[in-house]
Amino acid sequence: DGGITQSPKYLFRKEGQNVTLSCEQNLNHDAMYWYRQDPGQGLRLIYYSQIVNDFQKGDIAEGYSVSREKKESFPLTVTSAQKNPTAFYLCASRSQGDSPLHFGNGTRLTVT
Amino acid sequence: KQEVTQIPAALSVPEGENLVLNCSFTDSAIYNLQWFRQDPGKGLTSLLLIQSSQREQTSGRLNASLDKSSGRSTLYIAASQPGDSATYLCAVSKGDYKLSFGAGTTVTVRA
Repeated sequence: DGGITQSPKYLFRKEGQNVTLSCEQNLNHDAMYWYRQDPGQGLRLIYYSQIVNDFQKGDIAEGYSVSREKKESFPLTVTSAQKNPTAFYLCASRSQGDSPLHFGNGTRLTVT
Repeated sequence: KQEVTQIPAALSVPEGENLVLNCSFTDSAIYNLQWFRQDPGKGLTSLLLIQSSQREQTSGRLNASLDKSSGRSTLYIAASQPGDSATYLCAVSKGDYKLSFGAGTTVTVRA
């Protein structure tokens, strides 16, 4: 079945450590996204990529980095520079600008 | 900057009642609007997508309307069931690959 796989589901890290969240899709979608969700707030865009080897900053990119070396994969690194990294992270993809957005099941990151 | 608001933040209804969920947005120059459902601890599932040229979309018990000029969309869920309990989010797109999301309405359907 086609879909988006995010791993791991839960991730725990110590403050000061970098951590990488995985996102893989087999939907053959061109565009991929990373969002952050905090309680009581709407999703906020971290980074997005429209094609391989190209990506753009979203509204809250500081302290995060991404790569898009393959169409299927869009990993997100949460660096030690991110001041408040504990959150629920969601990866999404879609084929074109007017098509529905599909989401993975998310990674809950806890940094202590 | 596009602001998307969903009121109320939470809603509780008895089983069988029709649900009416509201979404408003400040910039009417949208490309499309999408409604999602989110279960606790899970990702979002797309329910309906309405293009800016459309006034409504239907899927089973779900019907979404769009009034671009007034910056409003409404999601109707007919004959609610306990399985409809979830958080419902709307998101608008300006066609530039970026979407703006509302914070969602959490619905509880009481058996």
